[in-house]
Amino acid sequence: DAGVTQSPTHLIKTRGQQVTLRCSPKSGHDTVSWYQQALGQGPQFIFQYYEEEERQRGNFPDRFSGHQFPNYSSELNVNALLLGDSALYLCASSLKAGNEKLFFGSGTQLSVL
Amino acid sequence: QKEVEQNSGPLSVPEGAIASLNCTYSDRGSQSFFWYRQYSGKSPELIMFIYSNGDKEDGRFTAQLNKASQYVSLLIRDSQPSDSATYLCAVNKDYGQNFVFGPGTRLSVLP
Repeated sequence: DAGVTQSPTHLIKTRGQQVTLRCSPKSGHDTVSWYQQALGQGPQFIFQYYEEEERQRGNFPDRFSGHQFPNYSSELNVNALLLGDSALYLCASSLKAGNEKLFFGSGTQLSVL
Repeated sequence: QKEVEQNSGPLSVPEGAIASLNCTYSDRGSQSFFWYRQYSGKSPELIMFIYSNGDKEDGRFTAQLNKASQYVSLLIRDSQPSDSATYLCAVNKDYGQNFVFGPGTRLSVLP
């Protein structure tokens, strides 16, 4: 049973560039959430996708956008990268929206130079 | 005031001892409370959740919730070196998936 998979594992970008991160949820899960974890901090909620729509959003600017596909996989896009966007980006899936048991992927480490 | 606060540690306990991890939260309307374990370089893993005041036990782990004091704790009995990790407290305010995480407490269990 495949868990939550994310790609790529590491990414290096420069300021101003755009990046796309990808996530496949755990088998049987239909809801995907994205979190940003800065070094030494807890994860911060970016947004949640369910039925291909953004359902909840945290306190992140519009530079952060996402998408969910019919197969429940998801993408996180970040435009106009800033140095402060350097972090571990975690994808979490759950059985359905409102189910609070999150299963996290191993994350994508983004470095912005 | 931060929404969810934890002592950053490190908290060091000898093998076999009880480790006590604490968390306070600011939103009195918070509904559910979670503890995640995160090994260095790995993703968070859910270990306990609690909704009601009191204690909830699962194996060597006990979660304690006191909503009046806005306080959540995690006790780890018979601590093992493999328990050495960062423990994240997460609070859910609205039954959605907008969890607010604390900064985590780093636990070190010494053999």
